[in-house]
Amino acid sequence: DQQVKQNSPSLSVQEGRISILNCDYTNSMFDYFLWYKKYPAEGPTFLISISSIKDKNEDGRFTVFLNKSAKHLSLHIVPSQPGDSAVYFCAASPPQGTSYGKLTFGQGTILTVHP
Amino acid sequence: SQTIHQWPATLVQPVGSPLSLECTVEGTSNPNLYWYRQAAGRGLQLLFYSVGIGQISSEVPQNLSASRPQDRQFILSSKKLLLSDSGFYLCAWRPRTYQETQYFGPGTRLLVL
Repeated sequence: DQQVKQNSPSLSVQEGRISILNCDYTNSMFDYFLWYKKYPAEGPTFLISISSIKDKNEDGRFTVFLNKSAKHLSLHIVPSQPGDSAVYFCAASPPQGTSYGKLTFGQGTILTVHP
Repeated sequence: SQTIHQWPATLVQPVGSPLSLECTVEGTSNPNLYWYRQAAGRGLQLLFYSVGIGQISSEVPQNLSASRPQDRQFILSSKKLLLSDSGFYLCAWRPRTYQETQYFGPGTRLLVL
């Protein structure tokens, strides 16, 4: 049972344009969401997160949007750069104190930004 | 600042051989520790987590085991490797104080032949 889904295995975007990566979840107990970026043969690096009490969080070129009613979150990258090319994972966490900080990850989306 | 180390970076092992992967964290104490596996073309699957020395919880039945002999040391082991154990193994840590973000090590690529 895939509780966190990234339905687009890949996304190709032109440099300078917006990249939109999507993520859906089924467990309504999730209340904290994270995005990680991963290059081949490296560990994922934390990118940005959002609590369920918010619907938007912004950090430089990266913005995460959360729609709780739709159980959907998205990561916007504007403008996209070739160095953004990587695999992006979304992850979700239940409330504090209920799961020892375990994260449930999506399958990942490969983003390719063309010069 | 905190850093997390994993070794070896790459490992090629024959089927039936033992395995020991090590993860250490520096610059923090009492972290929560996690082992993940990323199979080819797949997402990150949580294998084990630990909230303290000697405390190991397994998430999925498998051929692997984990141990935490010291506060900042997490070891992934197997007595006899299977072909299906091939993958990219990642160790992660999280501060004990409330924060959901986990920080990952560089990973170990394991190929079982």
